[in-house]
Amino acid sequence: GAVVSQHPSRVICKSGTSVKIECRSLDFQATTMFWYRQFPKQSLMLMATSNEGSKATYEQGVEKDKFLINHASLTLSTLTVTSAHPEDSSFYICSARLAGSTRGTQYFGPGTRLLVL
Amino acid sequence: DAKTTQPNSMESNEEEPVHLPCNHSTISGTDYIHWYRQLPSQGPEYVIHGLTSNVNNRMASLAIAEDRKSSTLILHRATLRDAAVYYCIPRSETQGGSEKLVFGKGTKLTVNP
Repeated sequence: GAVVSQHPSRVICKSGTSVKIECRSLDFQATTMFWYRQFPKQSLMLMATSNEGSKATYEQGVEKDKFLINHASLTLSTLTVTSAHPEDSSFYICSARLAGSTRGTQYFGPGTRLLVL
Repeated sequence: DAKTTQPNSMESNEEEPVHLPCNHSTISGTDYIHWYRQLPSQGPEYVIHGLTSNVNNRMASLAIAEDRKSSTLILHRATLRDAAVYYCIPRSETQGGSEKLVFGKGTKLTVNP
């Protein structure tokens, strides 16, 4: 149980275009989802916390207008990288926390590798 | 957030036990100690967590020092599939405390056949 999927797994796009990444909790409902970014040979960095039905909370230094997050249902959150540039190339990973738990284990998706040319 | 110190890398042989240490001397009394691991090119995976007592599950055991300033993740019989980066993450479980997971550099475990 507690499976999180991401789509697409890999994406290559041209500089200036926008890319949408989906994060789904397959067998549970998630009121809170998290978006991380990981550059090569570095650790995961939290970008934002997404709560169903409300605005996302962004970490310091993360541009909310560039990384649009929508959490429209209890099983789906999307991250849109707008006007992507080569420096946005990274491994984007989402995680989800079980609905109804105030604290608890985060279940991670398999990640989406973005390459901006 | 409590700071953690883990070895950059460790090596083990297949089917031998592995003890992965973590120092968290600034941990607060209400922080649980979480362990996650990340296999190559994948998202992290929950391993185990605990507060004061030692914990066991099907994946691993967690031994927590009496003063809670350190802990050790124990893989009883390492397999090649256990090769990953292991992260030790203290996290507040109290209302009002941050529920964020702050990932450090972790320990890269290599398992030799």
